[in-house]
Amino acid sequence: ETGVTQTPRHLVMGMTNKKSLKCEQHLGHNAMYWYKQSAKKPLELMFVYSLEERVENNSVPSRFSPECPNSSHLFLHLHTLQPEDSALYLCASSQDASGTYNEQFFGPGTRLTVL
Amino acid sequence: GQNIDQPTEMTATEGAIVQINCTYQTSGFNGLFWYQQHAGEAPTFLSYNVLDGLEEKGRFSSFLSRSKGYSYLLLKELQMKDSASYLCAVILLGDSSYKLIFGSGTRLLVRP
Repeated sequence: ETGVTQTPRHLVMGMTNKKSLKCEQHLGHNAMYWYKQSAKKPLELMFVYSLEERVENNSVPSRFSPECPNSSHLFLHLHTLQPEDSALYLCASSQDASGTYNEQFFGPGTRLTVL
Repeated sequence: GQNIDQPTEMTATEGAIVQINCTYQTSGFNGLFWYQQHAGEAPTFLSYNVLDGLEEKGRFSSFLSRSKGYSYLLLKELQMKDSASYLCAVILLGDSSYKLIFGSGTRLLVRP
Protein backbone atom coordinates (compact mmCIF):
# COMPACT_ATOMS: atom_id res chain seq x y z
CA GLU A 1 0.00 0.00 0.00
CA THR A 2 1.16 3.49 -0.73
CA GLY A 3 0.00 6.96 0.21
CA VAL A 4 -2.83 7.48 2.68
CA THR A 5 -5.49 4.84 3.19
CA GLN A 6 -8.76 5.05 5.09
CA THR A 7 -11.20 2.41 6.28
CA PRO A 8 -14.05 1.93 6.03
CA ARG A 9 -14.87 3.78 2.82
CA HIS A 10 -18.56 3.91 3.71
CA LEU A 11 -20.25 3.75 7.11
CA VAL A 12 -23.88 3.95 8.17
CA MET A 13 -24.56 4.23 11.88
CA GLY A 14 -27.36 5.01 14.27
CA MET A 15 -27.18 7.86 16.75
CA THR A 16 -26.54 5.49 19.66
CA ASN A 17 -23.77 3.50 17.96
CA LYS A 18 -20.05 3.69 18.59
CA LYS A 19 -17.74 3.30 15.62
CA SER A 20 -14.19 4.20 14.63
CA LEU A 21 -12.61 5.51 11.46
CA LYS A 22 -9.07 4.44 10.67
CA CYS A 23 -6.36 6.21 8.69
CA GLU A 24 -2.92 4.92 7.83
CA GLN A 25 -0.12 6.74 6.01
CA HIS A 26 2.80 5.00 4.34
CA LEU A 27 4.78 8.18 3.54
CA GLY A 28 6.94 8.50 6.66
CA HIS A 29 5.23 11.74 7.60
CA ASN A 30 5.14 13.22 11.10
CA ALA A 31 1.82 15.10 10.96
CA MET A 32 -1.69 13.77 10.44
CA TYR A 33 -5.04 15.55 10.12
CA TRP A 34 -8.77 14.91 10.23
CA TYR A 35 -11.07 17.00 8.03
CA LYS A 36 -14.84 17.05 7.59
CA GLN A 37 -16.28 17.74 4.13
CA SER A 38 -20.01 18.43 4.00
CA ALA A 39 -21.95 19.07 0.82
CA LYS A 40 -21.58 22.63 -0.47
CA LYS A 41 -19.29 23.58 2.44
CA PRO A 42 -15.53 24.04 2.67
CA LEU A 43 -13.26 21.35 3.99
CA GLU A 44 -13.16 21.92 7.75
CA LEU A 45 -10.08 21.06 9.77
CA MET A 46 -10.97 19.05 12.87
CA PHE A 47 -7.71 17.87 14.46
CA VAL A 48 -3.97 18.06 13.86
CA TYR A 49 -1.45 15.61 15.27
CA SER A 50 2.29 16.18 15.16
CA LEU A 51 4.55 13.33 16.29
CA GLU A 52 1.54 11.67 17.92
CA GLU A 53 0.69 14.76 19.96
CA ARG A 54 -2.52 16.65 19.32
CA VAL A 55 -1.57 20.23 18.43
CA GLU A 56 -4.87 21.56 17.12
CA ASN A 57 -8.47 20.96 18.10
CA ASN A 58 -10.75 23.13 16.02
CA SER A 59 -13.64 23.38 18.50
CA VAL A 60 -14.84 19.91 17.61
CA PRO A 61 -17.65 18.41 19.76
CA SER A 62 -16.57 15.74 22.22
CA ARG A 63 -18.61 13.09 20.40
CA PHE A 64 -15.60 12.99 18.05
CA SER A 65 -12.54 11.61 19.79
CA PRO A 66 -9.23 11.29 17.91
CA GLU A 67 -6.41 8.91 18.74
CA CYS A 68 -2.92 8.76 17.30
CA PRO A 69 -1.06 5.70 18.65
CA ASN A 70 1.95 6.25 16.36
CA SER A 71 2.94 8.53 13.52
CA SER A 72 1.51 6.18 10.88
CA HIS A 73 -1.96 5.65 12.32
CA LEU A 74 -4.81 7.96 13.18
CA PHE A 75 -8.26 7.05 14.44
CA LEU A 76 -11.47 8.99 14.87
CA HIS A 77 -13.78 7.44 17.44
CA LEU A 78 -17.43 8.30 17.03
CA HIS A 79 -20.23 8.07 19.60
CA THR A 80 -23.74 9.47 19.92
CA LEU A 81 -23.48 11.30 16.62
CA GLN A 82 -26.21 13.48 15.12
CA PRO A 83 -27.62 13.32 11.59
CA GLU A 84 -25.86 16.62 10.79
CA ASP A 85 -22.56 14.83 11.33
CA SER A 86 -23.14 12.94 8.09
CA ALA A 87 -20.30 13.96 5.78
CA LEU A 88 -17.12 12.80 4.09
CA TYR A 89 -14.32 12.48 6.64
CA LEU A 90 -10.90 12.93 5.12
CA CYS A 91 -7.57 12.08 6.65
CA ALA A 92 -4.37 13.74 5.47
CA SER A 93 -0.69 13.67 6.31
CA SER A 94 2.27 15.98 5.76
CA GLN A 95 5.97 15.88 6.46
CA ASP A 96 5.41 17.95 9.56
CA ALA A 97 3.03 20.57 10.92
CA SER A 98 5.57 23.23 11.79
CA GLY A 99 6.52 24.47 8.34
CA THR A 100 4.58 26.84 6.15
CA TYR A 101 5.08 24.66 3.09
CA ASN A 102 2.56 22.17 4.27
CA GLU A 103 1.68 20.01 1.29
CA GLN A 104 -0.85 17.56 2.56
CA PHE A 105 -1.60 14.18 1.07
CA PHE A 106 -5.20 13.10 1.45
CA GLY A 107 -6.81 9.72 1.83
CA PRO A 108 -9.93 8.76 -0.15
CA GLY A 109 -12.23 9.52 2.78
CA THR A 110 -14.95 7.73 4.71
CA ARG A 111 -18.51 8.57 3.65
CA LEU A 112 -20.43 8.62 6.94
CA THR A 113 -24.21 8.56 7.20
CA VAL A 114 -25.85 8.98 10.60
CA LEU A 115 -29.45 7.83 10.78
CA GLY B 1 -13.16 35.28 10.97
CA GLN B 2 -11.54 33.74 7.94
CA ASN B 3 -13.12 34.16 4.53
CA ILE B 4 -12.08 32.49 1.29
CA ASP B 5 -14.26 33.02 -1.79
CA GLN B 6 -14.36 31.08 -5.03
CA PRO B 7 -17.03 30.82 -7.73
CA THR B 8 -19.26 27.83 -7.14
CA GLU B 9 -19.29 26.48 -10.68
CA MET B 10 -17.65 27.14 -14.04
CA THR B 11 -18.06 25.60 -17.47
CA ALA B 12 -15.47 25.57 -20.25
CA THR B 13 -14.81 23.84 -23.56
CA GLU B 14 -12.22 21.17 -24.24
CA GLY B 15 -9.01 22.74 -25.53
CA ALA B 16 -9.81 26.17 -24.10
CA ILE B 17 -8.28 28.13 -21.20
CA VAL B 18 -10.07 28.76 -17.92
CA GLN B 19 -9.17 30.94 -14.95
CA ILE B 20 -10.52 30.12 -11.49
CA ASN B 21 -10.31 33.01 -9.03
CA CYS B 22 -9.89 32.95 -5.27
CA THR B 23 -10.03 35.92 -2.91
CA TYR B 24 -9.24 35.72 0.76
CA GLN B 25 -9.57 37.83 3.90
CA THR B 26 -7.72 36.06 6.67
CA SER B 27 -5.96 36.90 9.92
CA GLY B 28 -2.47 36.25 8.65
CA PHE B 29 -1.12 34.56 5.55
CA ASN B 30 1.65 32.04 5.13
CA GLY B 31 0.99 30.75 1.65
CA LEU B 32 -1.76 29.48 -0.62
CA PHE B 33 -2.43 26.04 -2.08
CA TRP B 34 -4.59 24.84 -4.93
CA TYR B 35 -5.93 21.30 -4.81
CA GLN B 36 -7.92 19.29 -7.37
CA GLN B 37 -10.65 16.93 -6.23
CA HIS B 38 -12.49 14.57 -8.55
CA ALA B 39 -15.92 13.45 -7.38
CA GLY B 40 -15.63 10.75 -4.75
CA GLU B 41 -11.85 11.01 -4.59
CA ALA B 42 -9.19 12.57 -2.38
CA PRO B 43 -7.97 16.13 -3.03
CA THR B 44 -4.59 16.16 -4.76
CA PHE B 45 -1.98 18.91 -4.68
CA LEU B 46 -1.69 21.21 -7.69
CA SER B 47 0.32 24.26 -6.68
CA TYR B 48 1.74 26.39 -3.89
CA ASN B 49 2.34 30.17 -3.87
CA VAL B 50 3.91 32.19 -1.09
CA LEU B 51 5.43 35.09 -3.04
CA ASP B 52 3.64 37.35 -5.49
CA GLY B 53 3.71 36.24 -9.08
CA LEU B 54 3.03 33.33 -11.35
CA GLU B 55 4.06 29.72 -10.78
CA GLU B 56 3.84 27.56 -13.89
CA LYS B 57 3.60 23.81 -13.90
CA GLY B 58 2.79 22.29 -17.26
CA ARG B 59 -0.80 23.08 -18.25
CA PHE B 60 -1.53 24.56 -14.83
CA SER B 61 -0.36 27.94 -13.50
CA SER B 62 -1.17 29.73 -10.27
CA PHE B 63 -0.88 33.43 -9.53
CA LEU B 64 -0.77 35.27 -6.22
CA SER B 65 -1.13 38.91 -5.21
CA ARG B 66 -0.76 39.22 -1.45
CA SER B 67 -1.58 42.94 -1.39
CA LYS B 68 -4.92 42.23 -3.08
CA GLY B 69 -5.68 39.00 -1.24
CA TYR B 70 -6.13 37.33 -4.59
CA SER B 71 -5.05 34.21 -6.40
CA TYR B 72 -6.06 32.44 -9.57
CA LEU B 73 -5.53 29.02 -11.08
CA LEU B 74 -5.12 28.96 -14.85
CA LEU B 75 -5.78 25.76 -16.75
CA LYS B 76 -4.69 25.62 -20.40
CA GLU B 77 -5.54 23.16 -23.18
CA LEU B 78 -8.43 21.84 -21.15
CA GLN B 79 -9.09 18.13 -21.22
CA MET B 80 -12.23 16.24 -20.24
CA LYS B 81 -10.38 14.76 -17.27
CA ASP B 82 -9.97 18.29 -15.85
CA SER B 83 -13.65 18.22 -14.86
CA ALA B 84 -13.32 18.33 -11.06
CA SER B 85 -13.57 20.64 -8.08
CA TYR B 86 -10.68 23.04 -7.49
CA LEU B 87 -10.01 24.02 -3.90
CA CYS B 88 -8.18 27.15 -2.80
CA ALA B 89 -6.60 26.96 0.67
CA VAL B 90 -4.70 29.53 2.75
CA ILE B 91 -2.07 28.52 5.30
CA LEU B 92 -2.52 30.13 8.69
CA LEU B 93 -0.67 29.78 11.96
CA GLY B 94 -2.88 28.02 14.49
CA ASP B 95 -2.33 27.43 18.20
CA SER B 96 0.67 25.17 17.75
CA SER B 97 0.91 24.40 14.07
CA TYR B 98 0.24 25.71 10.61
CA LYS B 99 -3.14 24.77 9.21
CA LEU B 100 -5.01 24.99 5.92
CA ILE B 101 -8.26 26.96 5.64
CA PHE B 102 -10.18 25.93 2.54
CA GLY B 103 -12.60 27.72 0.28
CA SER B 104 -15.78 25.91 -0.76
CA GLY B 105 -14.26 24.89 -4.06
CA THR B 106 -15.11 25.60 -7.69
CA ARG B 107 -16.72 22.81 -9.67
CA LEU B 108 -15.40 22.91 -13.23
CA LEU B 109 -17.24 21.16 -16.03
CA VAL B 110 -15.33 20.66 -19.27
CA ARG B 111 -17.56 20.08 -22.30
CA PRO B 112 -16.54 18.58 -25.66
